Amino acid sequence: AQKITQTQPGMFVQEKEAVTLDCTYDTSDQSYGLFWYKQPSSGEMIFLIYQGSYDEQNATEGRYSLNFQKARKSANLVISASQLGDSAMYFCAMRESGGSNYKLTFGKGTLLTVNP
Amino acid sequence: DGGITQSPKYLFRKEGQNVTLSCEQNLNHDAMYWYRQDPGQGLRLIYYSQIVNDFQKGDIAEGYSVSREKKESFPLTVTSAQKNPTAFYLCASSRQLTGNSPLHFGNGTRLTVT
Repeated sequence: AQKITQTQPGMFVQEKEAVTLDCTYDTSDQSYGLFWYKQPSSGEMIFLIYQGSYDEQNATEGRYSLNFQKARKSANLVISASQLGDSAMYFCAMRESGGSNYKLTFGKGTLLTVNP
Repeated sequence: DGGITQSPKYLFRKEGQNVTLSCEQNLNHDAMYWYRQDPGQGLRLIYYSQIVNDFQKGDIAEGYSVSREKKESFPLTVTSAQKNPTAFYLCASSRQLTGNSPLHFGNGTRLTVT
């Protein structure tokens, strides 16, 4: 079974609108962390936002926020006021606290296209 | 500026040749990683290192080797034993191996083997 599932291979959004990128995860650990990364066409992976499983508040970083629903095991990324430069691949990743706590496990990504 | 430098950006090799990808960081991070990315796939972990002179296999280590002689450097060798070496390779580092420490990535090396 996949640990991280991103069900949207591609998404389109109009400039200045908000967009939600979905991420669901699977773990039996109580303590874990969720990360979102952006990968522009240049290839570099850029860290956007982090949510810990015990964090009571949803994480926010500028125009990025994380809609964390622990019971549903979802950690959706919300980008407000989309900009043309937001066009990129977006990856959700998880680090568990158990035996594989040394690594991030990544989803397959969502390609976001922002239209002018 | 602190960061991770991978070189070269593009690399072409003939089948049967070993090739070494460079990764240098000046972030003073203890942990370093190598990931492989194939089209339509997420990233898969090849090797990781928590400290100098210590490294561990990730999920897809077969056909690869690494060294960690200095804190700043974590080169990856793609050997002729790697059956499908053509891919995009990303090096990363983090302050520590576990917890909420995010990975910081380099710009990647695109390896093509023909």
